[in-house]
Amino acid sequence: AQTVTQSQPEMSVQEAETVTLSCTYDTSESNYYLFWYKQPPSRQMILVIRQEAYKQQNATENRFSVNFQKAAKSFSLKISDSQLGDTAMYFCAFMTPLAGNNRKLIWGLGTSLAVNP
Amino acid sequence: EPEVTQTPSHQVTQMGQEVILRCVPISNHLYFYWYRQILGQKVEFLVSFYNNEISEKSEIFDDQFSVERPDGSNFTLKIRSTKLEDSAMYFCASSEEGGPSNEQFFGPGTRLTVL
Repeated sequence: AQTVTQSQPEMSVQEAETVTLSCTYDTSESNYYLFWYKQPPSRQMILVIRQEAYKQQNATENRFSVNFQKAAKSFSLKISDSQLGDTAMYFCAFMTPLAGNNRKLIWGLGTSLAVNP
Repeated sequence: EPEVTQTPSHQVTQMGQEVILRCVPISNHLYFYWYRQILGQKVEFLVSFYNNEISEKSEIFDDQFSVERPDGSNFTLKIRSTKLEDSAMYFCASSEEGGPSNEQFFGPGTRLTVL
């Protein structure tokens, strides 16, 4: 069974600095997708960034980038120039493109990130 | 910008009562999902729905749960006889197509409290 592990329950960073959130996963599949979702206090789940496993290039979205290490099954999120609005719970999630219409996301426990002024 | 909406935002019910959680997915989306998040625990997949039928359901999604798309816009989750352990945040999501490269858009969630 696929699992997603986030080993950092809480992290904090000073505004304008860089922080890296860790995520590891376990799967026997070779083709899959990885996601980072942000859940601010409003509780809405917002997609931050996604990575296709068959792509070697790390995904980047503005201040957010990932370090995808397929062999190590590691998928960390780097937030550069942290802003107060980045304060949120961050979830790592995994999806296998199974046959048919199965598209479930498998989630980690989350990392609570606090950006301090 | 289109968004997924959910009602109510908070539902309090007595154990054994039936509840219906409502979701309005984004209008041109075809795939619908329910997830739940018990406080302090992982977000868990409950069920996916496509073409008016369940695509996949988790072990959590037992006979007490059902989903329905009663009209062209709503997508509901019904819990027939609620238990204390059903207390959680329930998230609805939708995606335009089923491919994993297609983002699942989430609603703001319904907090269900079972007393």
